[in-house]
Amino acid sequence: DTGVSQDPRHKITKRGQNVTFRCDPISEHNRLYWYRQTLGQGPEFLTYFQNEAQLEKSRLLSDRFSAERPKGSFSTLEIQRTEQGDSAMYLCASSSRMNTEAFFGQGTRLTVV
Amino acid sequence: AQTVTQSQPEMSVQEAETVTLSCTYDTSESNYYLFWYKQPPSRQMILVIRQEAYKQQNATENRFSVNFQKAAKSFSLKISDSQLGDTAMYFCAFLYSGGGADGLTFGKGTHLIIQP
Repeated sequence: DTGVSQDPRHKITKRGQNVTFRCDPISEHNRLYWYRQTLGQGPEFLTYFQNEAQLEKSRLLSDRFSAERPKGSFSTLEIQRTEQGDSAMYLCASSSRMNTEAFFGQGTRLTVV
Repeated sequence: AQTVTQSQPEMSVQEAETVTLSCTYDTSESNYYLFWYKQPPSRQMILVIRQEAYKQQNATENRFSVNFQKAAKSFSLKISDSQLGDTAMYFCAFLYSGGGADGLTFGKGTHLIIQP
């Protein structure tokens, strides 16, 4: 296993379009997290899954954002009706227990034009 | 809610010098974890070091060590014998161990530059 992988690495979209990102965690990890990072800031927590259950969502996550992890393996993050303020790096991380190391992917950089 | 503050946006030192990055946090919780993460220009976040709040002993990992002051809510990172590969963004992060909003709270980061 080569770690957490995210696809695509870069996405440019027009305002109002929908986009979907994919994250493949480390295979034995049951916890999966999504974070958003804007320029000059640290990552902000968006949501997390334990297996296929979405257990927590940040208040930052508007109704235009939805995440799934249908079989407890890979996860998708969809943004509907994108806005320029959605431009950011979207990071995925996974871990095997809450208090152990979270392994991060390289992120998907979204640019909304 | 927890907050994490890193007051040094950027630091620059010469190779082989020792550098200390500061971090303070605010929480009403007593059980938590603190982390330092490194984010090189390739953007993949890597864990540098971790500290459990219930442990009084400061964590060390080779050239990296922390100074954890629980009462002062301070968690600084010391890098000894700095190397060019240490150049990166460094983020301090907090994780509450009791459930609830189960995610890392990050500071804004410190851009560390190691000069040859």
